[in-house]
Amino acid sequence: QVQLQQWGAGLLKPSETLSLTCGVYGGSFSESFSEYHWTWIRQSPEKGLEWIGEVNHSGSTNYNPSLKSRVTMSVDTSKSQFSLNLTSVTAADTALYFCASIPPPRGYSGYRFESWGQGTLVTVSS
Amino acid sequence: DVQMTQSPSSLSASVGDRVTITCRASQYISSYLLWYQQKPGKAPKLLIYAVSTLQSGVPSRFSGSGSGTDFTLTISSLQPEDFATYYCQHSYNTPWTFGQGTKVEIK
Repeated sequence: QVQLQQWGAGLLKPSETLSLTCGVYGGSFSESFSEYHWTWIRQSPEKGLEWIGEVNHSGSTNYNPSLKSRVTMSVDTSKSQFSLNLTSVTAADTALYFCASIPPPRGYSGYRFESWGQGTLVTVSS
Repeated sequence: DVQMTQSPSSLSASVGDRVTITCRASQYISSYLLWYQQKPGKAPKLLIYAVSTLQSGVPSRFSGSGSGTDFTLTISSLQPEDFATYYCQHSYNTPWTFGQGTKVEIK
């Protein structure tokens, strides 16, 4: 099963860009995980769990409309990594950020967030 | 966006109790309903997808049911390791959304 480990800056000032990366382990990224999608989710006391968006193996993206104007996700198959950038952060972006894997659906079972990273606490403060 | 509403927000129960948590979607989501368990300081853990399919390794005391807009997570006999917060989530369309959580505490 895929294992995820994430990293990135945990303290930002307002208007800066949040950048997080998630490393994928447990198999060949280009072979074992070629049909996977990769996603970011954040969690805060105010908003609970919030899906940010997803990127697939070829780099196609799908973002939450509430964040779409500030979000960019990408995948680097050579490094077995995927990344999140969120621009112009404010205090409202303070949250615990998780990366997760979305394996291909089994039949008509739909998508699921199967494996998760350990989480990165991002605090936005001047 | 589909709104997911869980009830109760919290509950107190004893080891061995049968526990039921409900989740209601603001619109039809077919069978695209999942349940996660989260313990303090940890990432959520997938328990159930497609309403009732147990993720590999999840004990059989967990079960899910429902369809359309109303769903239920049941723990048949609560164990000490089950004290946690539980979230429902839909995957019917994007943006995927979560319920606000149900905290299961020790009575």
